Order: sequence, then C-alpha cells, then structure tokens
Amino acid sequence: KAGVTQTPRYLIKTRGQQVTLSCSPISGHRSVSWYQQTPGQGLQFLFEYFSETQRNKGNFPGRFSGRQFSNSRSEMNVSTLELGDSALYLCASSMRQGEQTQYFGPGTRLLVL
Amino acid sequence: LAKTTQPISMDSYEGQEVNITCSHNNIATNDYITWYQQFPSQGPRFIIQGYKTKVTNEVASLFIPADRKSSTLSLPRVSLSDTAVYYCLVGDPFSYGGSQGNLIFGKGTKLSVKP
Repeated sequence: KAGVTQTPRYLIKTRGQQVTLSCSPISGHRSVSWYQQTPGQGLQFLFEYFSETQRNKGNFPGRFSGRQFSNSRSEMNVSTLELGDSALYLCASSMRQGEQTQYFGPGTRLLVL
Repeated sequence: LAKTTQPISMDSYEGQEVNITCSHNNIATNDYITWYQQFPSQGPRFIIQGYKTKVTNEVASLFIPADRKSSTLSLPRVSLSDTAVYYCLVGDPFSYGGSQGNLIFGKGTKLSVKP
C-alpha cells in the first residue's frame, strides 16, 4: 500500500497570507490527524477528522482549520499567517478514530516570512 | 493520557544494544505503551506497542515490568541509521474519539549512534 502523502512538501509564504495543505491517507484509512512540529514546542496535535467530521481539536487558534472529503483526503488551512506558524505540518492516518497507531506522512515544511 | 518521562539524549556506538527507558507512573489499566521513531524532517514512524511483559518485532523489543510504571525500548546492534528521536507514548489504543485518542508527544529521546 502507498503511504500517507502530503503536498506540497515545502512552502514559503509571507505574513498575512493564507495557506492550504493537503493530505492523502493510506487507502482504507478513514481517520486523518494533523500535527504541528516546531523546535520549541515539539509535536502538537491540531485536529482529527473521521468520516468528514472534526472529532477532536487541539489548543490552536481559529485561524487553523481543516476539512475531510468523502474519499478521506484532508486539507488544513491556516489563515492570516504569522511568523510563528513556521513549522513542519504532519498528517497521520489510521483506520479508526482515535487510534494510538498512526501512520505519518513526510510533512509539509512551511516558512512564513 | 498518562505523562511520560524519558532521557533527553543518549549516545551509543555502532553494534551496541541500546535501551531507552520511559517512566509512566500514572498509567491507566486500559493504557498501552507505544514507541515512535522520528528522523530529521520526516514524520514519526510507529515502532512497537505493548501492554505487559515483552513484545518483540523485527525492529525492536519492548520490556514492560509487572507494575507497568515504566517500559524499556531495546534496539539490538544499532547502526548509524538508528540515529533519531524516539518517543514513548501511553494511551488507550481502543479509545474511539475523545481526547484519549490523541497522540501526545513529549520531547522524546535523541539517540546519537557513532561509528
């Protein structure tokens, strides 16, 4: 099976812009979770989608949003970008909602200037 | 999720066995212990998961004592390519939904393998 794929792999934006990241889960996986990783804060949970519905949300401002499509593919959007949003954004998929065993993609490296 | 404590870093040499211990004093009855490995600029990769005693797969072994308040990830005969950050997580893998399902990563243990 193909692994989790994320696009784009690298992205440079400026403050105030918005960005959309895409994630395709492993075939058959219905849950998609998003994480932000920075050197200072480490890996932090953003949100989880299952059956096109957001099931869980981490402690991030409303500028961070997401959605999931009927084919389980997911997108996350960050509006009004801030310098502190520069990070590696990771997507992970699992068969069921809330599983401890998740399969991560390679991530999207976002740099906000 | 139960909080975990791991050493921040460890050094080893190629060919040695490496044991990384994780403390989880408040582990709940339904919690499992899961380890992930992460290379720089890549997503974490699931290594092993266990509930009690010993679990072994092609990559590592996981030792869990009877009181389950700690666990040890054992990597046999490490190579340079095992240099990575290793995360120990504790949670209920069958918790469908709710905050229990989220993976809460700590700082992990940065393993450096030298030639």
